[in-house]
Amino acid sequence: KQEVTQIPAALSVPEGENLVLNCSFTDSAIYNLQWFRQDPGKGLTSLLLIQSSQREQTSGRLNASLDKSSGRSTLYIAASQPGDSATYLCASRTSGAGSYQLTFGKGTKLSVIP
Amino acid sequence: NAGVTQTPKFQVLKTGQSMTLQCAQDMNHNSMYWYRQDPGMGLRLIYYSASEGTTDKGEVPNGYNVSRLNKREFSLRLESAAPSQTSVYFCASRGQMNTEAFFGQGTRLTVV
Repeated sequence: KQEVTQIPAALSVPEGENLVLNCSFTDSAIYNLQWFRQDPGKGLTSLLLIQSSQREQTSGRLNASLDKSSGRSTLYIAASQPGDSATYLCASRTSGAGSYQLTFGKGTKLSVIP
Repeated sequence: NAGVTQTPKFQVLKTGQSMTLQCAQDMNHNSMYWYRQDPGMGLRLIYYSASEGTTDKGEVPNGYNVSRLNKREFSLRLESAAPSQTSVYFCASRGQMNTEAFFGQGTRLTVV
């Protein structure tokens, strides 16, 4: 069974700092990995999707990388802003049995201090 | 473009009452999902529908039933609500296997 872990559970940084959020998974046989943002009391907003054949994906100040062999993905946020404060979740879709579901980590709560 | 729409947004039920959570998507997606989110537990899959006419159990299906009414709509029913079902429920949809999943805004359910 796939397990997804996000460490740390919470992170506080000053505005303007570059930062990295970590996601690890136990089963490297994945279709893809997706990063989401969740604001308090809100739904999940998709940020980036990385296919198993890709090494990284970029959108604006966000860059996500994927290393299947080591079971790791990172989300890099450049020049952080207070508006980036939210909980960031990663989720993997495993190939084979159970491939229709996403397995989520518990998230990293990011606070960007002005 | 509305995306994934869930109703209601908030609900309070008494133990033993029943209710149906509604979900509709306008992206012509094949697959639809129901998740619950609890503090310290993360998001867990309740049921999913890989395509119109099919439904399958996820990780935590007990106490729930689902109906894929058509390609757009996927409902979740609680037949006899229990306090353990107090949670935030999210509906999601996805097109092809290798595409993004999109989530609704959630239904916050409290069972007293």
